[in-house]
Amino acid sequence: GESVGLHLPTLSVQEGDNSIINCAYSNSASDYFIWYKQESGKGPQFIIDIRSNMDKRQGQRVTVLLNKTVKHLSLQIAATQPGDSAVYFCAENMNNNAGNMLTFGGGTRLMVKP
Amino acid sequence: DSGVTQTPKHLITATGQRVTLRCSPRSGDLSVYWYQQSLDQGLQFLIQYYNGEERAKGNILERFSAQQFPDLHSELNLSSLELGDSALYFCASSLTEATEAFFGQGTRLTVV
Repeated sequence: GESVGLHLPTLSVQEGDNSIINCAYSNSASDYFIWYKQESGKGPQFIIDIRSNMDKRQGQRVTVLLNKTVKHLSLQIAATQPGDSAVYFCAENMNNNAGNMLTFGGGTRLMVKP
Repeated sequence: DSGVTQTPKHLITATGQRVTLRCSPRSGDLSVYWYQQSLDQGLQFLIQYYNGEERAKGNILERFSAQQFPDLHSELNLSSLELGDSALYFCASSLTEATEAFFGQGTRLTVV
């Protein structure tokens, strides 16, 4: 089956630097993508989403970029803070006759060095 | 607080037993999803319900079943438990099938 995957399992950045977390997806029919942040012992927390009719969306300190040509999704975090340390998951959503399924990538652990 | 409530938070049980995990979605959300997360692993989609009906199935074992009740809460039943079923089980809910899903804090199941 098709799946979502991540290039880097662990990313270590200096506090104050920008972080970029990448995600590759293989299902061209996916029309909605979400980034989640999961801190230790907690459930995934919604960060930002983007629909397939857009290529960029900005939130507070976060930007998601979608490149449908190469099926690539990225999450950019500006001025990374220690509180950003967590595992980040991308997820794609495809609604077909079988229903609606949110498929998650393997996750990238972001470590912020003070 | 996401508004999604899962009970219990922790569960320890023996192999061969059966357990029920409960999820109350956010107020107004019609769609409920169940996920399994093993240690240091990603989130594996199990099953989704929308307004009481099963809508999508992922890699859910035959020993597992779920349902969504008329009040929209959902239960995940795990039977004939094996050591490998030890994991975090998350429930998420969304308003519709095409909007962001919000996750509960999970139930940590330990099978001994």
